[in-house]
Order: sequence, then C-alpha cells, then structure tokens
Amino acid sequence: SAVISQKPSRDICQRGTSLTIQCQVDSQVTMMFWYRQQPGQSLTLIATANQGSEATYESGFVIDKFPISRPNLTFSTLTVSNMSPEDSSIYLCSVLGGGGPDTQYFGPGTRLTVL
Amino acid sequence: AQSVTQLDSHVSVSEGTPVLLRCNYSSSYSPSLFWYVQHPNKGLQLLLKYTSAATLVKGINGFEAEFKKSETSFHLTKPSAHMSDAAEYFCVVSDFGFSGGYNKLIFGAGTRLAVHP
Repeated sequence: SAVISQKPSRDICQRGTSLTIQCQVDSQVTMMFWYRQQPGQSLTLIATANQGSEATYESGFVIDKFPISRPNLTFSTLTVSNMSPEDSSIYLCSVLGGGGPDTQYFGPGTRLTVL
Repeated sequence: AQSVTQLDSHVSVSEGTPVLLRCNYSSSYSPSLFWYVQHPNKGLQLLLKYTSAATLVKGINGFEAEFKKSETSFHLTKPSAHMSDAAEYFCVVSDFGFSGGYNKLIFGAGTRLAVHP
C-alpha cells in the first residue's frame, strides 16, 4: 500500500482566512481523493483529483470553496477558502491502491479548527 | 444505490472478550465491502476487504468478517479484544457503475469500540 503524508497535521485558523492542505504520496498514483470528516461524523467525499484535469466535485461542494490542485502523480493540495467555524473538520486525502478500482488508502488527516 | 448501516454507534467490551461490530448493506450488485479502523488522531487504516471470493475474510490484527448474502450482513469480529483495539470502525461498500475508472466508497456512520481492562 502507498505511504501518504499530509501537511499540516492540524491547524487553528481565523474565520475568513484560507488554508491549503498538502497531500504527498510515496509512489505515482492516478487518482487521489479528498474527504471531509466533520466532528463525530463519517467521511464525506469532497472531490476526486486526477493529474492533468480539473477535479470532479461531489454534490454540495464547489470549486470556489475547495479549490484543488494536482500538479503531478504524487502530490495534491486542497484549499479551504473563506473559512467559517462550520469548516472545522478533519480533511483526509486518499489514493486508489493496487487492490482494484475501489481499494483506497488514506493519509493521516489534517485537523482544522476555525475560530 | 448502495448503502451501509452500522447497527451500533457504540460498543463496549472487556479486554479478552469477543468483539462483534455489526454492519448491514444494501446493494443491487454483488458488492465489494470493507472495514476501516480509525484510531484517535489518526487516519483510516484498511482492516479487510471482501470481493466475492471467500465469504470469510481475514484481516489484520486478528479481525475477520463474514459476508452473508442471505442476511445482507458483513459483521466484523475478533475472538479476544485488546486495549489497542479501542477505535472507530467504519463499514464501507463500493458503489459500482461509477464512471472514471474507480468505484466510489460509501461509508457507514461508524461504531466506536471501547475496551475496558
């Protein structure tokens, strides 16, 4: 399985500001995913990021709020823009592993608190 | 559409006793099913995966799950709980028919396992 790291591991931010979260993988992967886990909740897919193309967003998530970059096959960023306390969550990236079209491996997550 | 229901939001066991975390699924197809574990302040770790091979799937750390089509269940078990098993567990089903070369994962609400000495 791939080894995935995220930066920062946690942050406390003021409302109205933006935070960019980085996701680094130790091997080249075609697909990367960004999830949000609100406090006490399960995971919700934000978007899918393929290298060289625009990210595909799930219903309820828009590019202006969560812009994503995917400059190469080992790296992606998610920006949480114009933050409000409702954006306080854990943000996780994942990659499609070698176990088929549905086996994903997850990074450690970024815990974001917005004051 | 595929979905999963985790029947218990919290499960509490004593160390050394068996663990049972229950999951029912709904799927129009023969599904792929997963269990993931999330330890406090950690990311998700894949415990095991079912993909229509053997119905009894063995995972890491002594966990296993049995796929029962007649009951649409995929319960997670472990014979003897360890303190380090305390974590959040997610049952996940794969949503087939998704375009783009991958299958979207549908997560259950999670079960928090507490292990007492």
